[in-house]
Amino acid sequence: DGGITQSPKYLFRKEGQNVTLSCEQNLNHDAMYWYRQDPGQGLRLIYYSQIVNDFQKGDIAEGYSVSREKKESFPLTVTSAQKNPTAFYLCASSRDRLVEQFFGPGTRLTVL
Amino acid sequence: KQEVTQIPAALSVPEGENLVLNCSFTDSAIYNLQWFRQDPGKGLTSLLLIQSSQREQTSGRLNASLDKSSGRSTLYIAASQPGDSATYLCAVLTGANSKLTFGKGITLSVRP
Repeated sequence: DGGITQSPKYLFRKEGQNVTLSCEQNLNHDAMYWYRQDPGQGLRLIYYSQIVNDFQKGDIAEGYSVSREKKESFPLTVTSAQKNPTAFYLCASSRDRLVEQFFGPGTRLTVL
Repeated sequence: KQEVTQIPAALSVPEGENLVLNCSFTDSAIYNLQWFRQDPGKGLTSLLLIQSSQREQTSGRLNASLDKSSGRSTLYIAASQPGDSATYLCAVLTGANSKLTFGKGITLSVRP
């Protein structure tokens, strides 16, 4: 089945730790995105990548980092510099930057 | 800066009712508009995509319209069912960076 997978589904982080969220797609899409969703707010763009080995900051990139070494994979690292990381994180992909985006099931990150 | 508004934030209707969900946006220079459904704790499911040159799109009981000049879109749901209960999000793609801007969503409850 074609789709987007995210792991883990739930993630708990202690203060001061870095954690990495996984996003994999088998849709052969060039573009991939990371969003953050907080209660009562719309989704906000963290980072996006239009092609392998290239990525750009979104609206709220501070405290996050990404890599795009493979077309299928776009992992997101939440660093200790992110002051309020507790949120629901959604990964998406699209064939190119101007067409429909498809979303994964999300990862809920909680800081203990 | 593009802003997307969805009002009201929540809606409760009896089963069988036809209903309209509204979405408005401030910058009419959009590439497309996408409607999504989100169930609690889940990712986003794409429902309909309307290109900027189109007026409407239909899928089953769903019909989405777009009036770009007035900055409005509506999602029409015919013969609502309890299974339609979810949060519906509207998003528009704009700008040189082709950024998807989301509304905060409308939480729909369909009562049996």
